[in-house]
Amino acid sequence: QKEVEQNSGPLSVPEGAIASLNCTYSDRGSQSFFWYRQYSGKSPELIMSIYSNGDKEDGRFTAQLNKASQYVSLLIRDSQPSDSATYLCAVNRGNQGGKLIFGQGTELSVKP
Amino acid sequence: EAGVAQSPRYKIIEKRQSVAFWCNPISGHATLYWYQQILGQGPKLLIQFQNNGVVDDSQLPKDRFSAERLKGVDSTLKIQPAKLEDSAVYLCASSLSSGGYTDTQYFGPGTRLTVL
Repeated sequence: QKEVEQNSGPLSVPEGAIASLNCTYSDRGSQSFFWYRQYSGKSPELIMSIYSNGDKEDGRFTAQLNKASQYVSLLIRDSQPSDSATYLCAVNRGNQGGKLIFGQGTELSVKP
Repeated sequence: EAGVAQSPRYKIIEKRQSVAFWCNPISGHATLYWYQQILGQGPKLLIQFQNNGVVDDSQLPKDRFSAERLKGVDSTLKIQPAKLEDSAVYLCASSLSSGGYTDTQYFGPGTRLTVL
């Protein structure tokens, strides 16, 4: 079992729809969770971080964390073609300094 | 504020050759990370420095990879000798404080290495 698992996709949604990206993790003691966006050929860019159970909203993005079920999700409302990218879920276990464990990423395609 | 700088951006070498990558973190950032990202996978941490000390190098293949961070600022990552499976993007990231679990990591543009 991978430490951080994501559906590799591709996930295809029409423009204006809600895109839902999911991530599960195996270490129950994990402390912090991050979503990075990575355009093809570019480096990862932080979108959201979340540390406690519940929802965290920032503009069109909402991160959701459920530690009991060991999953974290990212919702993108009013999806735009410019949101087409690979979304990486990253987890910090909390006992290894700043070390992030990344999932393989989910490719999102937003069709005009 | 300038971001994380890396060079070169691209490198093509033959197997068994050596190669070095350079990283300059965001000014004032204490913690520096090197990640390896193989095509189709998420980044994997190779080594973490806090100032000029190594915090975690558990996934660094020490028989061929080495890294240093002189004076707690710039860092170099070296591979000698390179293998075909080292073909990947090498990402440098930095964070402001001690690399705790709430620290935000900022990534540089990466160096794309192709080993033939």
